[in-house]
Amino acid sequence: DTGVSQNPRHKITKRGQNVTFRCDPISEHNRLYWYRQTLGQGPEFLTYFQNEAQLEKSRLLSDRFSAERPKGSFSTLEIQRTEQGDSAMYLCASSSGQGNSPLHFGNGTRLTVT
Amino acid sequence: GENVEQHPSTLSVQEGDSAVIKCTYSDSASNYFPWYKQELGKRPQLIIDIRSNVGEKKDQRIAVTLNKTAKHFSLHITETQPEDSAVYFCAASNSNTGNQFYFGTGTSLTVIP
Repeated sequence: DTGVSQNPRHKITKRGQNVTFRCDPISEHNRLYWYRQTLGQGPEFLTYFQNEAQLEKSRLLSDRFSAERPKGSFSTLEIQRTEQGDSAMYLCASSSGQGNSPLHFGNGTRLTVT
Repeated sequence: GENVEQHPSTLSVQEGDSAVIKCTYSDSASNYFPWYKQELGKRPQLIIDIRSNVGEKKDQRIAVTLNKTAKHFSLHITETQPEDSAVYFCAASNSNTGNQFYFGTGTSLTVIP
């Protein structure tokens, strides 16, 4: 399967703990996006990368969230000092970045903060 | 930034009938409008898209229309089938300013056999 891969699929953590998620995009895609989705809502933009450069970060994203894409391939999203409100599905997507190219989503990581 | 609104939030149709989902956007510079289908517990998947230089696009039972002047676009599904039941999301993006995608809140479509 050469689609977008995310790990882990599920993560349960206690409030206050740090968590890290990984995304492997489609190999030839140079753009990588992170979205958050809660029940009954559309994907909410968090941040995106072109190659290794983080080009934009949502103003809604608190300082507890950080993302990296060190070699322009896979990316990690870290949430520090998790809160119950962080419980959501975290979706990664990639695109070729050529003109109007669609997003290809991974299966997501479902985070539950207890 | 861009604001995308989507209606209705839920839609039930009889099998074989048509379904229409409508979206509006606020940024006239948006030039690309994809539609995604998300089945329960699965990833959003692209079903059709339209670019701003086109008014209508069709792919078998699915069609999308775009009215740039009114800043709205719609998804049309004809001859609906039970497997069309899912949540559908519209999105808007501008390839000239970074290609960030803004999503609607989704429409939960139920096709009743």
